[in-house]
Amino acid sequence: GENVEQHPSTLSVQEGDSAVIKCTYSDSASNYFPWYKQELGKGPQLIIDIRSNVGEKKDQRIAVTLNKTAKHFSLHITETQPEDSAVYFCAAPGGGSYIPTFGRGTSLIVHP
Amino acid sequence: DAGITQSPRYKITETGRQVTLMCHQTWSHSYMFWYRQDLGHGLRLIYYSAAADITDKGEVPDGYVVSRSKTENFPLTLESATRSQTSVYFCASSLSPPSSNQPQHFGDGTRLSIL
Repeated sequence: GENVEQHPSTLSVQEGDSAVIKCTYSDSASNYFPWYKQELGKGPQLIIDIRSNVGEKKDQRIAVTLNKTAKHFSLHITETQPEDSAVYFCAAPGGGSYIPTFGRGTSLIVHP
Repeated sequence: DAGITQSPRYKITETGRQVTLMCHQTWSHSYMFWYRQDLGHGLRLIYYSAAADITDKGEVPDGYVVSRSKTENFPLTLESATRSQTSVYFCASSLSPPSSNQPQHFGDGTRLSIL
């Protein structure tokens, strides 16, 4: 099955800095890579996703990049704000199953 | 737009008791999922369902039972609760298989404590 590794597990930045979270996956047939944000006491919510035929996607301060050769994808948050503080999860489905495998999560702390 | 709702939000029970967690979605999504979230383990899949009356085991199904008689409901039952099942439980749904470029939509979870 698919194996997804996410780093770092904790990331602490100052407001206004950039934050980068990286995930690697094992199954080269994976073709869809969502990122979820989980705020305290809430369920994960999709913030951005990317398909395998695209190398980069942006949505305001958030971007995701995909390197299919190296089998990794990254979440980039620019000009971080305190409300970006949350746990972020990446996921990849694996080619042989439609069930996504999640990374273990990154706790992002943005200090005012 | 009610979306996906879980009930109860909090539950305390004792070992050996049966407890059922409810999940209801208003989108008529075909796929539904149950996860548990524990520190250090991320999200682990318990059971999933591709349609009414079709369910499959996930990564950690032991001690749990699910049913899906209606598309919109996907209850999770702990038949005889154990302390190791203390966790936060999330239900999710998706329109079509998540691998087909469809994200999952999560409820806000049920925090379950077993004494």
